[in-house]
Amino acid sequence: NAGVTQTPKFRVLKTGQSMTLLCAQDMNHEYMYWYRQDPGMGLRLIHYSVGEGTTAKGEVPDGYNVSRLKKQNFLLGLESAAPSQTSVYFCASSYTQRGGRNEQFFGPGTRLTVL
Amino acid sequence: GENVEQHPSTLSVQEGDSAVIKCTYSDSASNYFPWYKQELGKGPQLIIDIRSNVGEKKDQRIAVTLNKTAKHFSLHITETQPEDSAVYFCAASRRGSARQLTFGSGTQLTVLP
Repeated sequence: NAGVTQTPKFRVLKTGQSMTLLCAQDMNHEYMYWYRQDPGMGLRLIHYSVGEGTTAKGEVPDGYNVSRLKKQNFLLGLESAAPSQTSVYFCASSYTQRGGRNEQFFGPGTRLTVL
Repeated sequence: GENVEQHPSTLSVQEGDSAVIKCTYSDSASNYFPWYKQELGKGPQLIIDIRSNVGEKKDQRIAVTLNKTAKHFSLHITETQPEDSAVYFCAASRRGSARQLTFGSGTQLTVLP
């Protein structure tokens, strides 16, 4: 099993450009999440999905859109990139676990720089 | 919404000593508290978690304690080793929140040889 993979690993964009980050998981997990990680701020939830065809906003959704057309894939889009979106982006997935647990499995991250 | 505060932001200990990282949460409905370890250049990985019906949980050299009344929980690492050097994050979630986790800001632990 590859677990959670993210594409690309690195990307540099100019202000106003658009791009899509791809997350794929091969564990048949129902839940998928997109986070951004900034220095001193931990991980903040951007959007999440509780199943194929469903998405919902997290803590910091502005400027991002997501889609989950297939259970194994979760796409994060930036329509018009801004320097404030320079960050490391992590995707995670999880499944229904007994007793209220929620172990999330993280990908290796995408480092995005917006100039 | 939930707010999780984590302290300290950096922590240096001598190899073999113990390390303690503390977190507080604001939402009294939170009932699940995991700790993640993030090594350089990698995604976070779960190392231990605790549910609100338990006060303490131990797994070899790591343990987590929970005080629901005070709304704080702590990670304890004993007999630290150089490979324990990493960033540690606490998190909290509550039932019915679509399993969303709210993370603390992280602690950079350095174990000095």
